[in-house]
Amino acid sequence: SAVISQKPSRDICQRGTSLTIQCQVDSQVTMMFWYRQQPGQSLTLIATANQGSEATYESGFVIDKFPISRPNLTFSTLTVSNMSPEDSSIYLCSAASQINTEAFFGQGTRLTVV
Amino acid sequence: QKEVEQDPGPLSVPEGAIVSLNCTYSNSAFQYFMWYRQYSRKGPELLMYTYSSGNKEDGRFTAQVDKSSKYISLFIRDSQPSDSATYLCAMSGGNTGNQFYFGTGTSLTVIP
Repeated sequence: SAVISQKPSRDICQRGTSLTIQCQVDSQVTMMFWYRQQPGQSLTLIATANQGSEATYESGFVIDKFPISRPNLTFSTLTVSNMSPEDSSIYLCSAASQINTEAFFGQGTRLTVV
Repeated sequence: QKEVEQDPGPLSVPEGAIVSLNCTYSNSAFQYFMWYRQYSRKGPELLMYTYSSGNKEDGRFTAQVDKSSKYISLFIRDSQPSDSATYLCAMSGGNTGNQFYFGTGTSLTVIP
């Protein structure tokens, strides 16, 4: 199994600012993902973080709003840019050691935009 | 039609009961099936991971996959108040690329 450390665990931010969320995995993994979860709802995939190349974004999510970095096989960041109250949500980092193996999750970042 | 359907509940049972949680799916290409437990304000925690059809048991938890019916289940025996959480099913594999597809989650409360 993989242990994923995600920080910050929570933050309250002013609208118009940006927040960078960090995700550190304790072992090298092939796949890293970023999800958003609204209260009481399931997970929405934002993007797949690709090591050494641009992330692959899902429909409705764009790089200018959610820039992602993945400099190596254990670390990734997600930035939520020019935040508005609609960005208030839980953001989750996930990783899988290989394709078609189980995925593990960080503890999430609870973001509130005021 | 969603890729994965899961009854959101809420489901409330007395302590000691057997709990059955279920998901159905539409893509017959899925090969890998997972169940996650998510406590309030926490990230999902992997409970069970199975490949293809059949049963897998781990302590009080049993995962079943019926690919012919496109139906998966998680059974919890001797349920405890500490089992109170949201349970998410997930699946991947086949022609679905590298993505994981999640159900909406079932909220479970075990009453002491």
